[in-house]
Amino acid sequence: SQQGEEDPQALSIQEGENATMNCSYKTSINNLQWYRQNSGRGLVHLILIRSNEREKHSGRLRVTLDTSKKSSSLLITASRAADTASYFCATDGSSNTGKLIFGQGTTLQVKP
Amino acid sequence: DAGITQSPRHKVTETGTPVTLRCHQTENHRYMYWYRQDPGHGLRLIHYSYGVKDTDKGEVSDGYSVSRSKTEDFLLTLESATSSQTSVYFCAISAGTGSYEQYFGPGTRLTVT
Repeated sequence: SQQGEEDPQALSIQEGENATMNCSYKTSINNLQWYRQNSGRGLVHLILIRSNEREKHSGRLRVTLDTSKKSSSLLITASRAADTASYFCATDGSSNTGKLIFGQGTTLQVKP
Repeated sequence: DAGITQSPRHKVTETGTPVTLRCHQTENHRYMYWYRQDPGHGLRLIHYSYGVKDTDKGEVSDGYSVSRSKTEDFLLTLESATSSQTSVYFCAISAGTGSYEQYFGPGTRLTVT
């Protein structure tokens, strides 16, 4: 079963707008990661946030984590057409096995 | 880009035939993973390896086997392919240094007719 569930499943915005995607998970975690997948390609790691962190930034990306609500959000500011992709959250389920559990993803379309 | 290659990139095979997919890395990472990606199911873990000859099952391991005889190669075998195994298969690697960030290969599109 999927640990993470993303919301919304699909999002369409205009270039320059901000995009927010949410992820909910079920069990405790050590960290939560976000990945991007362009059509027909493999996933690319974007950012990792540890369970003791509440917010993290990387360029135009901002990730928040609320462990009390078992949820995370990914904000992409000033979106560009090149941000069009699917975005996945992944959690480790507090294990040290190296396994990640991926959500089903949010498909983002940024219109020029 | 992380040095991960998958072969073949595309394959069409018939039901009942054996199929082996190869993942090769040049990063000397300890952990290697095989996923399948299907519409409506996201990415699901098939098997993973945490060292040479050390493997374990993932969420959807039935009908699949793996082998890892050396650090750089991780093989996924479908002993007798079925149409339900038509999918896109991704290999990933991780250094396993506590955070388990994964780096993905380009994928193999497998069609079982």
